[in-house]
Amino acid sequence: ETGVTQSPTHLIKTRGQQVTLRCSSQSGHNTVSWYQQALGQGPQFIFQYYREEENGRGNFPPRFSGLQFPNYSSELNVNALELDDSALYLCASSSTGPETQYFGPGTRLLVL
Amino acid sequence: ELKVEQNPLFLSMQEGKNYTIYCNYSTTSDRLYWYRQDPGKSLESLFVLLSNGAVKQEGRLMASLDTKARLSTLHITAAVHDLSATYFCAVISTGNQFYFGTGTSLTVIP
Repeated sequence: ETGVTQSPTHLIKTRGQQVTLRCSSQSGHNTVSWYQQALGQGPQFIFQYYREEENGRGNFPPRFSGLQFPNYSSELNVNALELDDSALYLCASSSTGPETQYFGPGTRLLVL
Repeated sequence: ELKVEQNPLFLSMQEGKNYTIYCNYSTTSDRLYWYRQDPGKSLESLFVLLSNGAVKQEGRLMASLDTKARLSTLHITAAVHDLSATYFCAVISTGNQFYFGTGTSLTVIP
């Protein structure tokens, strides 16, 4: 059984650019959630996808968007990057129900 | 907006001692999660608490949930250095939004 994987591990972008982060969920999991974790803070919920549909969204602007594919992998897209978008982006997968989420290693994004 | 508060934010304790981390949340939630994060690493699931009065134990860690008081505790027994990490609690609200606390940074001193 493979765990949650994310790519890339690190990324440097400049303000105004666009970025796509990728996540492969754990085998058998149909739900993927994305989080932003700024340095020294707890993860902030961005959104969740269940069977290719958005299933919940946190307080993030529309320039944060996502996709989930039929194999349940997922992408997070951020347009018009701002300096404050610099953070660790975590994806987590889970199966249906209240079971826990399993987190990937994260993508560290730096916006200059 | 649901708020999740943890205290203390920073905890330094000696090996062998006991301590409790508290997690309060502001609105009704029937699920509470505890995670551990080592520096520069991702989050590791520790416990999922699904009902009032739930208690779960793993090694030197024990978590409990009181949904009426909107309070969860993570109790550390006879701390060892390997437990040094940041601990987060998280709740899920209606609309499948997850809210994490600010974390408790634990340092266990030999």
